[in-house]
Amino acid sequence: KAGVTQTPRYLIKTRGQQVTLSCSPISGHRSVSWYQQTPGQGLQFLFEYFSETQRNKGNFPGRFSGRQFSNSRSEMNVSTLELGDSALYLCASSSSGQRTSNYGYTFGSGTRLTVV
Amino acid sequence: EDKVVQSPLSLVVHEGDTVTLNCSYEVTNFRSLLWYKQEKKAPTFLFMLTSSGIEKKSGRLSSILDKKELFSILNITATQTGDSAVYLCAVEGTYKYIFGTGTRLKVLA
Repeated sequence: KAGVTQTPRYLIKTRGQQVTLSCSPISGHRSVSWYQQTPGQGLQFLFEYFSETQRNKGNFPGRFSGRQFSNSRSEMNVSTLELGDSALYLCASSSSGQRTSNYGYTFGSGTRLTVV
Repeated sequence: EDKVVQSPLSLVVHEGDTVTLNCSYEVTNFRSLLWYKQEKKAPTFLFMLTSSGIEKKSGRLSSILDKKELFSILNITATQTGDSAVYLCAVEGTYKYIFGTGTRLKVLA
């Protein structure tokens, strides 16, 4: 069973550009969540999608957006990049997003975004 | 505001030592508490705790939850260098998990 796949693995962008990251969940998982991880702030919740609907959103500016497709694949977009957006972006999938099983989330390996 | 606080922030021990990692939380609509181990990139799942006072064990690792006092501990006995990692605690709220900043554990040979 394939795991959670995130692409690309690494990305370098300049300030002001926009970026789109992709996450393919485990087959059969309908919930996808996105997190930003930085050394100082740890893992911060961005948003969660289930069956193409955003069910929850963290405290990030509107430059951060996402969507989920009918096949459960999800993308997140960051517009007008700032230096502070440099981080590891992790996505995680689960079957329902709540009280999933004994396995909580399964995380992808992340996309390392560097903004210069 | 929901928050999860882990302590200590970092820890250096020698092989064979026993360590205790702490996680306290204030999260509305608590559903579960999870522990993850993160070595390079993707955090890997260790435990999920939902009931107070019931210890979960996996080899040298064990964890327990106290829902009255709103905390959990993760114990690692007979530590090995392979246990060196960041240990993350996460609390499940409504359609999201709130993570602590982690405890960085380094085990010296």
